[in-house]
Amino acid sequence: DGGITQSPKYLFRKEGQNVTLSCEQNLNHDAMYWYRQDPGQGLRLIYYSQIVNDFQKGDIAEGYSVSREKKESFPLTVTSAQKNPTAFYLCASSIVRSNTDTQYFGPGTRLTVL
Amino acid sequence: AQSVAQPEDQVNVAEGNPLTVKCTYSVSGNPYLFWYVQYPNRGLQFLLKYITGDNLVKGSYGFEAEFNKSQTSFHLKKPSALVSDSALYFCAVRPLDSSYKLIFGSGTRLLVRP
Repeated sequence: DGGITQSPKYLFRKEGQNVTLSCEQNLNHDAMYWYRQDPGQGLRLIYYSQIVNDFQKGDIAEGYSVSREKKESFPLTVTSAQKNPTAFYLCASSIVRSNTDTQYFGPGTRLTVL
Repeated sequence: AQSVAQPEDQVNVAEGNPLTVKCTYSVSGNPYLFWYVQYPNRGLQFLLKYITGDNLVKGSYGFEAEFNKSQTSFHLKKPSALVSDSALYFCAVRPLDSSYKLIFGSGTRLLVRP
């Protein structure tokens, strides 16, 4: 988990609210990623960004939005359009030198919809 | 479709005994292969990866993994299990034509009993 911080650790959302999850890294990594983890399932990619001011949709981007204004930061907003947002959200980062690079993960944020 | 299978939801082993956590994949070509470990309510920690070369890869905490091209498998092993190895283990693959995408298995829970 070292070098990547996520906040808050736990987040509660009322239906109809937008919430923003923070992800910061001090590893000087170019690429950052957001994954969603549900019980009994592997991680699914929501969004990724390989460079500042650019990001791409992953496999399950609907109902989510991101920004990448700084190299160190990649916040994820869970909008009211996301119908089932309760999950564990993981941020990751990697150097972008080749496709052998390893992704390193933050400690995660657990989001619960009340 | 590209996929990763971890056929066992849970593996039980006694402390001091060898352990194996299985992973097979269905991806075109020879992908890059990764293992991660997750402790409760934590992010994923990188254990090891296979890129090329020797089929036996050594990683963190005494873990190793064996790549078998003919069986499209990448099983995680450890000669002597510790109670502290109890955690959730994820296998992931990156297709050669992708610079970022990781395809995760559904995870295997390892329980090491004293």
